[in-house]
Amino acid sequence: VRLAESGGGVVQPGRSLRLSCAASGFTFSNSGMHWVRQAPGKGLEWVALIWYDKSNKYYADSVKGRFTISRDNSNNTLYLHMDSLRVDDTAVYYCVRGVRVAASYFDIWGQGTVVTVSS
Amino acid sequence: QSVLTQPPSVSGAPGQTVTISCTGSSSNIGTGYDVHWYQQFPGRPPKLLIYSDNKRPSGVPDRFSGSKSATSASLAITGLQAEDEADYYCQSYDNSRIALYVFGSGTKVTVL
Repeated sequence: VRLAESGGGVVQPGRSLRLSCAASGFTFSNSGMHWVRQAPGKGLEWVALIWYDKSNKYYADSVKGRFTISRDNSNNTLYLHMDSLRVDDTAVYYCVRGVRVAASYFDIWGQGTVVTVSS
Repeated sequence: QSVLTQPPSVSGAPGQTVTISCTGSSSNIGTGYDVHWYQQFPGRPPKLLIYSDNKRPSGVPDRFSGSKSATSASLAITGLQAEDEADYYCQSYDNSRIALYVFGSGTKVTVL
């Protein structure tokens, strides 16, 4: 059972970045998937959720309108497209599996990918 | 700032019991939504420690226990061990529309 994020890096404010997360060892197409981030030295912040069948997507207010979550169930891959990046988006971004559709908790975490937004 | 409030730090000697509180509101814990707990070591991703208020995933020692009442929850570590020194976060669901899922501010447990 594994989640492996990629795509992080250093980007200037206002630019875009796409994160990917490759899933293995479980039935990805049956799982709601989330992105959770952690700014340097700070706590955890939930970012976005996509249902197992892509029918619903939800975002934290802090990223709504700028970030887009998507998935490819045929390739067991989760994505996070980030536009209009801001300095305060700097964080480790974790790909996370949600255990149930409603009021979920997170049982599988990736190692994280670092996004640094800086001029 | 985090929606769920935790003490920044707690400490205890080996063998002692420490308790971490997690205080929410009527839009999350107070509505009856489950509380879950995660353990995080420096440079590592969080790990699920307690789910649905008081259940332990396979492999989590029984010295970790959770409880919930009204708008707050607690994580207790009994028989504290040096390897328990880490950051701990509570998490719940929130119906305020700001964010569906909310975390606590995190508590650093130090073993003296």
